[in-house]
Amino acid sequence: EAQVTQNPRYLITVTGKKLTVTCSQNMNHEYMSWYRQDPGLGLRQIYYSMNVEVTDKGDVPEGYKVSRKEKRNFPLILESPSPNQTSLYFCASSSGEENNSPLHFGNGTRLTVT
Amino acid sequence: GDSVTQMEGPVTLSEEAFLTINCTYTATGYPSLFWYVQYPGEGLQLLLKATKADDKGSNKGFEATYRKETTSFHLEKGSVQVSDSAVYFCALSDLRTSYDKVIFGPGTSLSVIP
Repeated sequence: EAQVTQNPRYLITVTGKKLTVTCSQNMNHEYMSWYRQDPGLGLRQIYYSMNVEVTDKGDVPEGYKVSRKEKRNFPLILESPSPNQTSLYFCASSSGEENNSPLHFGNGTRLTVT
Repeated sequence: GDSVTQMEGPVTLSEEAFLTINCTYTATGYPSLFWYVQYPGEGLQLLLKATKADDKGSNKGFEATYRKETTSFHLEKGSVQVSDSAVYFCALSDLRTSYDKVIFGPGTSLSVIP
């Protein structure tokens, strides 16, 4: 089954404790992206990647890192989480080859930083 | 830059009522337009899309027509069901002007009551 898999689904951590949210897709997609979803602010893009070893900042990259060493994986790294990073995070991918290539989303990771 | 505006929610309807969720866009090029749906506890999933003017996208009884003259892509369904309760996002993508991202509207929450 074609899918984007994020782990974990829920994560509670404390300020400053490094964490990684994993994202994997099995559709051989070149484009991958991370979003955060907050009430009243909608979806905001954090980072994106157009191919292996190619990553770039989205609208809200501060406090986050990503890597794209393999085509299928695109982990999101919070080196020193802070309470304002409490949010619902989504990973997404698409083939990116055409204007009408839709995004495929994971089921989300709900992060709470205390 | 490109942008998407959606009607404010939440929207509450009785089962079998007619649904319209308004969406208008601003774009310098010729984007593809999408509606995504987010059911409770899940990620976004593509509901329908349209790639050029006058195209009609349809799926699961929902329809939307790409209107270039009014820069609109309103979502409609003739008879909603309780299972349609979700958040609906209008979005655009134009590889020629903003390859790196999909522009999302803020989302409209729909509740359908029996």
